[in-house]
Parts: sequence; C-alpha cells; structure tokens
Amino acid sequence: EDQVTQSPEALRLQEGESSSLNCSYTVSGLRGLFWYRQDPGKGPEFLFTLYSAGEEKEKERLKATLTKKESFLHITAPKPEDSATYLCAVQGTDSSYKLIFGSGTRLLVRP
Amino acid sequence: SQTIHQWPATLVQPVGSPLSLECTVEGTSNPNLYWYRQAAGRGLQLLFYSVGIGQISSEVPQNLSASRPQDRQFILSSKKLLLSDSGFYLCAWSTSGVDEQFFGPGTRLTVL
Repeated sequence: EDQVTQSPEALRLQEGESSSLNCSYTVSGLRGLFWYRQDPGKGPEFLFTLYSAGEEKEKERLKATLTKKESFLHITAPKPEDSATYLCAVQGTDSSYKLIFGSGTRLLVRP
Repeated sequence: SQTIHQWPATLVQPVGSPLSLECTVEGTSNPNLYWYRQAAGRGLQLLFYSVGIGQISSEVPQNLSASRPQDRQFILSSKKLLLSDSGFYLCAWSTSGVDEQFFGPGTRLTVL
C-alpha cells in the first residue's frame, strides 16, 4: 500500500534558524513527489514537483530534494511568514491521478 | 491565469440534511477535477476525481456522491449527512498530462 510519513509533526524555529522537514514514502513506482504549503483555513498551495532521485528544486528560502525513499524540504534562514503546514504527497505509476498525502509538518517561525 | 472557486466557504448542517458543495474552474478547458476531504490534523483523502463531463471515479465508498454537469463545474453531494462527514472539503484541478494539482480555498463543513 502506498504510504507517506512526514516528520516532525511540528517544528518551532527562531527566525534565521535553518532546518529540514522529512517526507518518507513507500510506493510501488514513483511518478512524482509534491510539496505543498497550507496556511490555516486555506487550501494547499503548490510548491514543487520532484520526479527522480537526485533532483532538487528551489524557491526563495525553500529547497526540496529527493532520494529513492525520502524527500527533504530544507528551509534556509526562515522568516515568520514561512510559518505554515507543509504537506508532502506522492503519485504512483499505477494510480494515474491519485495523490497520497502525508499528515504534514506544522512549522512555526518565531521572530 | 487559472482560478478555482468553491462555495460556500463555511457550512453548518444538521445530521440527516442534504449537502451540495460547488467548485468551478476558470481559465482552462477540460481540466481533471478532484474532491478531497481533510480531517483535523490529518492528510488529504481523495474522494472523487473526474477526467471529463459525466465521468466520475470514486475512491472511497460512503454516502457522498459527485457530479460534473459542465466542463469546469464539479459538485459534491449527499442525501443525508452523517456526523463523520464533518471536515474541510477541497476541490482541485489539473491539466491532462501534467501531474501537479492546484487547490481551491476549501469549504469547512460542520455536521451537528
């Protein structure tokens, strides 16, 4: 069964304190791995798609990386506006449209 | 640019009442459309997806149903709501051949 596990569940950082979020996945064949940002009471906002091990994507202070078993979302020198829940999802090669989501990491960046 | 709308934004309904949530997409043609539910502190669960008008696939058997009467309109319905139907309902779209899904603002449903 396809599965996504995110850790930690919650993370508190001081402004400027870099860290990483983890997304471990089990899927028969990986079509793509997706990162989203979700603010309270709002729909998820698309951040990145990663397709193959070794691939990296960057956007402002965020950098996503992918291995054969997990993905990391690195946050460099975070700011309070980076506070949100970060969701990871995978799409398997045998489930054309279905995204399997993890339960997310709640990030709080304090000034 | 593409825009996705959902309404209502919030809804409080008694157990046993009917439900109709609507989702519309602007700025694209023949999108793939999805309904997800997000329970508190949990990941998103795919409920239905549609690749075209009148074409609906169900992922989770339950008392909900979906319909796609027009190319860019997706409706989630129920004849009789259960307490367990409470949650945050999200509509999403994608372009055929492109994997990323883009989400709407969501509807918060509380069943009392």
